[in-house]
Amino acid sequence: GAVVSQHPSWVICKSGTSVKIECRSLDFQATTMFWYRQFPKQSLMLMATSNEGSKATYEQGVEKDKFLINHASLTLSTLTVTSAHPEDSSFYICSARLAGDQETQYFGPGTRLLVL
Amino acid sequence: EDQVTQSPEALRLQEGESSSLNCSYTVSGLRGLFWYRQDPGKGPEFLFTLYSAGEEKEKERLKATLTKKESFLHITAPKPEDSATYLCAVQANTNAGKSTFGDGTTLTVKP
Repeated sequence: GAVVSQHPSWVICKSGTSVKIECRSLDFQATTMFWYRQFPKQSLMLMATSNEGSKATYEQGVEKDKFLINHASLTLSTLTVTSAHPEDSSFYICSARLAGDQETQYFGPGTRLLVL
Repeated sequence: EDQVTQSPEALRLQEGESSSLNCSYTVSGLRGLFWYRQDPGKGPEFLFTLYSAGEEKEKERLKATLTKKESFLHITAPKPEDSATYLCAVQANTNAGKSTFGDGTTLTVKP
């Protein structure tokens, strides 16, 4: 139980294009999802908290107009990297929290983004 | 500001050689401390949640313990398949469920 999927698992795009990453909770409902990015040999940096039916809460220093988050249902959140640039290349990971569980996060497998 | 420091950064063990990983933390009211395992190119896999000092949890060759300032992940008689990066994270009571992660300890177990 508590399986989270991400799609795509990796993507290569040209600079200036937009990329959408999906995060789905497969066997549970998630009122809250989190988006992280991780650079090589570094830990997870929280980008934003996504709550179903409301606007995402972004961490300090994360541009909300560049990283668009939509949490339209209890099982799906999307992260769109708009006008991607090479410095946006990273490993993006989402996590989901079961409704009623305020603590445990279950992570997706991650999406590797490479912007050329 | 919540802080998590993990040590050592990297640990190399022979198969069967037991050891411990450390996670030191400062947090304004601990809601929970979490241990995750992350394999290269994958998302973290949840291992344990610890809530209060003195608590211990076990899973196969792993045992996590918690004090008021740190947590240890003890690995007993490790096998090569235990090789991974182990991440520690804390959640504060007043942080809306957000976790602060340490940089991790990369464990390599040689056969």
